[in-house]
Amino acid sequence: QVQLVESGGGVVPPGRSLRLSCAASGFTFSSNTMHWVRQAPGRGLEWVALISYDGSNKYYADSVKGRFIISRDNSKNTLYLQMNSLRGEDTAVYYCASDYDSGSSALDPWGQGTLVTVSS
Amino acid sequence: QSALTQPPSASGSPGQSVTISCTGTSSDVGGYNYVSWYQVHPGKAPKLMIYEVSKRPSGVPDRFSGSKSGNTASLTVSGLQAEDEADYHCSSYAGRNNWVFGGGTELTVL
Repeated sequence: QVQLVESGGGVVPPGRSLRLSCAASGFTFSSNTMHWVRQAPGRGLEWVALISYDGSNKYYADSVKGRFIISRDNSKNTLYLQMNSLRGEDTAVYYCASDYDSGSSALDPWGQGTLVTVSS
Repeated sequence: QSALTQPPSASGSPGQSVTISCTGTSSDVGGYNYVSWYQVHPGKAPKLMIYEVSKRPSGVPDRFSGSKSGNTASLTVSGLQAEDEADYHCSSYAGRNNWVFGGGTELTVL
């Protein structure tokens, strides 16, 4: 079935780096725009970044621009988020999600998320 | 503080209807017909319930409906069932490859 599984979360001190992965299965990963969305404790969801189906276009939220890098490996059906210069406010559950339908601006499916905690 | 404003909580008894609002601006909700609603059960992956303001993905019960008026979108759940108890988050495209979300509404089935 269609599935997205995130990994790579953990506890990291401020200023350090972490790389998240999202393994896709059950759909044609290489055809879909992919997103990262996060949810800080007690807060709503926040869109983080997107990458086009072929990796040629990447866009970021202002809150992570210049620090986070989204990438993908279509040969491995895997999406990545390289997070650098981490801050306390980056503490959140990070979800990967696919475009639901081209042009719909909706996201589905989603993974179950991986928790990133930035703390000394 | 989230870009879109949702009530933190809503509730209803089984069989009743409940409506959750999502207020933005003319730069997001009011400017595009790209409002989506997501259901999130604790520890589970978010699930798309409504897209493009009022469309339902395959498999979503027709008890769930969406609408929009001006800068405010709404999700209505009719015939409430116990399994509808979850958090509901709205989202809107905000132009220039940017998406905004609401703070989420915790729906309780009494």
